[in-house]
Amino acid sequence: GQNIDQPTEMTATEGAIVQINCTYQTSGFNGLFWYQQHAGEAPTFLSYNVLDGLEEKGRFSSFLSRSKGYSYLLLKELQMKDSASYLCAVRDSNYQLIWGAGTKLIIKP
Amino acid sequence: IAGITQAPTSQILAAGRRMTLRCTQDMRHNAMYWYRQDLGLGLRLIHYSNTAGTTGKGEVPDGYSVSRANTDDFPLTLASAVPSQTSVYFCASSGAGGGDEQFFGPGTRLTVL
Repeated sequence: GQNIDQPTEMTATEGAIVQINCTYQTSGFNGLFWYQQHAGEAPTFLSYNVLDGLEEKGRFSSFLSRSKGYSYLLLKELQMKDSASYLCAVRDSNYQLIWGAGTKLIIKP
Repeated sequence: IAGITQAPTSQILAAGRRMTLRCTQDMRHNAMYWYRQDLGLGLRLIHYSNTAGTTGKGEVPDGYSVSRANTDDFPLTLASAVPSQTSVYFCASSGAGGGDEQFFGPGTRLTVL
C-alpha cells in the first residue's frame, strides 16, 4: 500500500530552527510537495522537490532523497506565524497526490 | 473571482438529504480535485477531473458524484448524505505542468446529522 509518515506534533522556540521529516512508500514517484495549513484554513503550497537535494526558499528549505524515500522541511528563524500544520504529499505513478496526516508545529515564545 | 472559490462555507444537513458543494476557479486550470479532510488523517481524494468533460475516482469515491461540464466549475454531489460524510471538503485545481502545485479553495465544513 501507499504510505506517508510524518510526526504528529512538534514544538519549537521562536527564532530557532526546526526540521520536519517525511518518509514515504508509494507506487511510483513524480515529485514531493510540502504545504502549510493554518488552523481552519486551506493548505497553501510551500515547496516542490523532484530531484535529490536541497531546495531553498527564504526561511524554508526542503530536502529530498529518493533512494531513501525521505524528505524534510527545514524552517529557520521561526516566527509565531509559523505555527501551523505542515503537510507532506507525494505524487504517485498515476499523478495523484498521496498525503501525510500532517505535522502540527507549535511555536513557543 | 480570484483563484478558487467554494460554496457554501459551512452546512448542517439531515441524513438522507441531497447536497451539492460548489467549486469554481478562474485560473483556467485543466485539472480539478475534491478532497475530504478528517482529524488525524491526511487529505483523501474523492474525485478528480484532468480536463473538462472527464472525471475519475479517487481513494474514497463512494457516496459522491461529480461533473465537469466546463473548465471553471467542478461540483460535488452527495446523493443521500450519511453521518460518516461529516468532514471538511476542499476543492483544488492545478495546471498541466509537471511541477504545478495544487491551489486550494477555502473549504466547506459539512455536518451530517
